[in-house]
Amino acid sequence: EIVLTQSPATLSLSPGERATLSCRASQSVSDHLAWYLQKPGQAPRLLIYDASTRATGIPPRFSGSGSGTDFTLTISSLEPEDFGIYYCQHRRNWPPLTFGGGTKVEIK
Amino acid sequence: EVYLVESGGALVQPGGSLRLSCAASGFTFSNHNLHWVRQAPGGGLEWISYISGTSTAISYAASVRGRFTISRDNVKASLYLQMHSLRDDDTGVYYCARGSTGWFDTWGQGTLVTVSS
Repeated sequence: EIVLTQSPATLSLSPGERATLSCRASQSVSDHLAWYLQKPGQAPRLLIYDASTRATGIPPRFSGSGSGTDFTLTISSLEPEDFGIYYCQHRRNWPPLTFGGGTKVEIK
Repeated sequence: EVYLVESGGALVQPGGSLRLSCAASGFTFSNHNLHWVRQAPGGGLEWISYISGTSTAISYAASVRGRFTISRDNVKASLYLQMHSLRDDDTGVYYCARGSTGWFDTWGQGTLVTVSS
């Protein structure tokens, strides 16, 4: 089973700042990685898939990069609605599909 | 617009059973693979089961295999999860999610299952 490790656990930033989130896989997942944002009391929402493709309706301030085992989600300038918990997920050689433990982006 | 609406969550005793449902609308149901994903209180996301559009392919996470059964009714546009031998660590919010490519592009709002005596 492929394990995804996200860092940092918590990121404290102010609106307008740049956020950089990391996801590392225990073995190569090629570009088979996605990112989700979950706000309190809500279901997760797909942001990025295939490592760098924005999902429908996702603004360009969100960008994904990486391949193999190391991936990054960058938010160029945080908006108030961007605060929440971000999860990465892979689909390489599934089942199982697995998620990372999450990075909480909180308002500083 | 695409909707998934879960129901059936409840308080159940350890060892008990429960059936969750997920009603879909706004898309051609039979064309899409569907999944169940759960989230323990204060915890992360855990994929637990998958079913293909025609029910020919099914898979489970090791944590629920042999206790949970996924099924679907393409006429009723509904997804189900039959859960038996429930344990304390099955407690959480259960989401149904659409995911034909292995990505979860649409999620329901979730239904809460609490396993406790």
